[in-house]
Amino acid sequence: EDQVTQSPEALRLQEGESSSLNCSYTVSGLRGLFWYRQDPGKGPEFLFTLYSAGEEKEKERLKATLTKKESFLHITAPKPEDSATYLCAVRAYTGRRALTFGSGTRLQVQP
Amino acid sequence: DAGVIQSPRHEVTEMGQEVTLRCKPISGHNSLFWYRQTMMRGLELLIYFNNNVPIDDSGMPEDRFSAKMPNASFSTLKIQPSEPRDSAVYFCASSLNGEDSPLHFGNGTRLTVT
Repeated sequence: EDQVTQSPEALRLQEGESSSLNCSYTVSGLRGLFWYRQDPGKGPEFLFTLYSAGEEKEKERLKATLTKKESFLHITAPKPEDSATYLCAVRAYTGRRALTFGSGTRLQVQP
Repeated sequence: DAGVIQSPRHEVTEMGQEVTLRCKPISGHNSLFWYRQTMMRGLELLIYFNNNVPIDDSGMPEDRFSAKMPNASFSTLKIQPSEPRDSAVYFCASSLNGEDSPLHFGNGTRLTVT
């Protein structure tokens, strides 16, 4: 069974204080790893897809990286508007074809 | 692009009542997903349609839950009879081309069953 574990559960940063969120996964053949951002009262919003170890994607202050066992979402010089819950999800080549989500990291960036 | 539209935004009902949640996917998207989100279990896939045909309904909790997609622009998720443990936020999402395309989520329906 596919499993996704995200850490930490919650993270509080000062504006400008860079950090990383972790997503560890166990899957029988990774077809894709996805990062989403979710604001309170809203649905998740797609950020990145990573397909193979060593791949990196960037968007503004966010950079996602992938290894064979985990993915990191690096946040550089965060701003208060980066406050949200960040969700990681995996899709496998076998078994269920849809995404398996982690429980998320709740990020709060204080001014 | 209006995004995925869900209705109602909030639903409060009594145990035993029928509940119907509605979803309009993004025009041109051929896949539609229903997810449920709770604090305890996070986001769980309930059912996935491709070209209006159910592909994976293994996440549907039990016979009380049913989903339909009569056409490419409309889907419903029905719970009959509802129970307090069904209380959650239900999200509908659509994608351009199956499970390999990014999912676009609606803003969800918060269901409370008393």
